[in-house]
Amino acid sequence: AQSVAQPEDQVNVAEGNPLTVKCTYSVSGNPYLFWYVQYPNRGLQFLLKYITGDNLVKGSYGFEAEFNKSQTSFHLKKPSALVSDSALYFCAVRLPTDKLIFGTGTRLQVFP
Amino acid sequence: DTGVSQNPRHKITKRGQNVTFRCDPISEHNRLYWYRQTLGQGPEFLTYFQNEAQLEKSRLLSDRFSAERPKGSFSTLEIQRTEQGDSAMYLCASSLGTGAGGYTFGSGTRLTVV
Repeated sequence: AQSVAQPEDQVNVAEGNPLTVKCTYSVSGNPYLFWYVQYPNRGLQFLLKYITGDNLVKGSYGFEAEFNKSQTSFHLKKPSALVSDSALYFCAVRLPTDKLIFGTGTRLQVFP
Repeated sequence: DTGVSQNPRHKITKRGQNVTFRCDPISEHNRLYWYRQTLGQGPEFLTYFQNEAQLEKSRLLSDRFSAERPKGSFSTLEIQRTEQGDSAMYLCASSLGTGAGGYTFGSGTRLTVV
């Protein structure tokens, strides 16, 4: 079955420390991969995407993600976390039928 | 261009009433998508349009749900005879073509059925 997994419900990190939010997927072929962020009672804001090419993708607000085909992973990273990064993060995969399937989300909490 | 616009932002309705939501996509985007997000979950696909044609409907979309995009611009999502289980955030997104350029989401309409 096609699926996206975000194994951590919550990630806690101190401000200034690096952060990683994990995502693995089970989709056939060469899918498009996305990360979105959601603030309370808001829609989804696009962070970055991987379509093809360089496995390290840079996105908005200093975030980046590393695509690993052999491990079917697309982990989100940031070298130095900010308190304002605290939010809900979703990994998503585009299916060939042009719809997205999302993980269940990871809540990132950055402590001062 | 102000992005994807959804109205209303919040809707509280009594069980059994009908509700309609509107989505205005980015003007040059030919594809429009509806997703539903319940508390603690990621968004789930409901349906999508290319121009005015509805290309796919999820099994989640019962007969009480109907979506239209009559002129290939804005879209409406109607829920008839609402049930408490319909309470969720309804998200609209648009894209130019098949998503390689990304999908832009609106701020959503939060529906509460009481």
